[in-house]
Amino acid sequence: AQSVTQLGSHVSVSEGALVLLRCNYSSSVPPYLFWYVQYPNQGLQLLLKYTTGATLVKGINGFEAEFKKSETSFHLTKPSAHMSDAAEYFCAVTFNQGGKLIFGQGTELSVKP
Amino acid sequence: AAGVIQSPRHLIKEKRETATLKCYPIPRHDTVYWYQQGPGQDPQFLISFYEKMQSDKGSIPDRFSAQQFSDYHSELNMSSLELGDSALYFCASSSPEAGGLTPLHFGNGTRLTVT
Repeated sequence: AQSVTQLGSHVSVSEGALVLLRCNYSSSVPPYLFWYVQYPNQGLQLLLKYTTGATLVKGINGFEAEFKKSETSFHLTKPSAHMSDAAEYFCAVTFNQGGKLIFGQGTELSVKP
Repeated sequence: AAGVIQSPRHLIKEKRETATLKCYPIPRHDTVYWYQQGPGQDPQFLISFYEKMQSDKGSIPDRFSAQQFSDYHSELNMSSLELGDSALYFCASSSPEAGGLTPLHFGNGTRLTVT
């Protein structure tokens, strides 16, 4: 069965430090991968997506992620954290065009001054 | 840009009551998805519709039903509400794009509290 695993339910970084949120998936077919961000009491906002082509994808707010097939990973990074990045981040995968998303458990990012 | 609109934003119901949640997708989006997010949980897929027909079904209780109308808006009907139904309910929409997949665009959700 297809699944998504986010390592670390809470990640805390200092402002200006590197952000690294981990996501691994399991699938027998090529996945389409997404990162969403959720601020308190708000909906899910798309950060970036990987469908085909270049494995390093850039998203909004300075985030990027790299699809590594050999590692079945799609980790999210940002070189320098900002206080406004504090939120819940969800990795998600789908395995067919227009299909439902399977979400990871989420990682809460805290940014310390 | 227009986004997915959900109403109401907040809803308080008592056990055994019914509730109806509405979702208005982004214009020209023909696919609607419903998700349930419990406290501290990841969103769980409930059901989806494409061109007014049910396209996929997830962990949706038999007490719940949904439909998509001719204007593509969708309604999630929930009956015999239980305390465990308290959650944030998201609607998302998408449409086929040249070359394949469009990502799901989510609304801000309806927070249902069952007392």
